Amino acid sequence: AQKVTQAQTEISVVEKEDVTLDCVYETRDTTYYLFWYKQPPSGELVFLIRRNSFDEQNEISGRYSWNFQKSTSSFNFTITASQVVDSAVYFCALSPKVRTDSWGKLQFGAGTQVVVTP
Amino acid sequence: EAGVAQSPRYKIIEKRQSVAFWCNPISGHATLYWYQQILGQGPKLLIQFQNNGVVDDSQLPKDRFSAERLKGVDSTLKIQPAKLVDSAVYLCASSFDRDQPQHFGDGTRLSIL
Repeated sequence: AQKVTQAQTEISVVEKEDVTLDCVYETRDTTYYLFWYKQPPSGELVFLIRRNSFDEQNEISGRYSWNFQKSTSSFNFTITASQVVDSAVYFCALSPKVRTDSWGKLQFGAGTQVVVTP
Repeated sequence: EAGVAQSPRYKIIEKRQSVAFWCNPISGHATLYWYQQILGQGPKLLIQFQNNGVVDDSQLPKDRFSAERLKGVDSTLKIQPAKLVDSAVYLCASSFDRDQPQHFGDGTRLSIL
């Protein structure tokens, strides 16, 4: 069975502070994908990143960075110099890569609400 | 390119009534998904289509929910009869194939009175 845990329910920061969102996962699959999605107040889920379980290189995209550590089953997300527009709910998700009936099925965590105040 | 289109945006009905949601995926996307997102929770997959065939409907409450994708493009999700516990946002997503990231629509917010 797959499980994604986002222990932080809500994080409040002041603009320009850094914020790190934790994600811990459980899976029996040897190959899988990890994702982060952003859900602003408008409701649409916006795809941010996908990582293959074979690729543990950290990734940076502008103010966003991701730290994947397979040894601790964690895939953490950091927003550097946060802005008000970063206020949203962020979801971590897991998907098997094996070609079974579950292939492509996303298992989401409960989400972390990020509130950035000016 | 146009994103995933969903309608209606909001729907309010009374319990025991029926309701239907519509989804038009991104052009060329073979895989289509319906998710239910209850307030304060992450989305939960209800059903997954590959073209016009069902791949996974293990979490679809089949006594009241049904979904179809007859021509392998648009899809409809129906609830009949609705219960109070069905109050949620219903999200549609599509991907080029099952190995590609999913792209989501704005969702339909359903309120049951």
